[in-house]
Amino acid sequence: AQSVTQLDSQVPVFEEAPVELRCNYSSSVSVYLFWYVQYPNQGLQLLLKYLSGSTLVKGINGFEAEFNKSQTSFHLRKPSVHISDTAEYFCAVSSGYSGGGADGLTFGKGTHLIIQP
Amino acid sequence: DAEITQSPRHKITETGRQVTLACHQTWNHNNMFWYRQDLGHGLRLIHYSYGVQDTNKGEVSDGYSVSRSNTEDLPLTLESAASSQTSVYFCASSDGRRGPINEQFFGPGTRLTVL
Repeated sequence: AQSVTQLDSQVPVFEEAPVELRCNYSSSVSVYLFWYVQYPNQGLQLLLKYLSGSTLVKGINGFEAEFNKSQTSFHLRKPSVHISDTAEYFCAVSSGYSGGGADGLTFGKGTHLIIQP
Repeated sequence: DAEITQSPRHKITETGRQVTLACHQTWNHNNMFWYRQDLGHGLRLIHYSYGVQDTNKGEVSDGYSVSRSNTEDLPLTLESAASSQTSVYFCASSDGRRGPINEQFFGPGTRLTVL
């Protein structure tokens, strides 16, 4: 079984300040890791993903995340946030193939990023 | 452009009624998924399908069923709606043929209220 823990349910940050959203996972097998963003009243949009290779992954809108296997973490960072980054952020994990297709994702409970002017 | 749509976007129903939520994708993806989103729980997997005639139970499948008669559609049925099923429901799809893990594309969601 796999699980995801997002340590902060809400993170307030001033505009143009850096931010880190924390994510830890547990899994008995190799994992694939994702960060999704959900803007108000919308579906989820992929920010970035780690499948293999370089542990530093760059995504859209200036976000990046670092996969740390020893810490079982996949924290999301942005050096300077904007008002438009206000949204819910979800970390997710998948163990990959099962029965010939891709498994569903296991999501964390989400972190609400609040950007203050 | 390819897309994934859900209908209705909002639904109010009564306890005990059967409800079907539609999901339609034009990506030609073989994998489709249903999740529910609840405050404090994030998204939880209800059912998923790897292709036509294939369905699998997810983490919270009790009280729900799906059927996959074609590539494009995966309707979600609540056999006898309960107040505990009040939630926002998201459908997603991915192309499992292109590698071990591919991006899941999400629909806009259906807000269901069971009174």
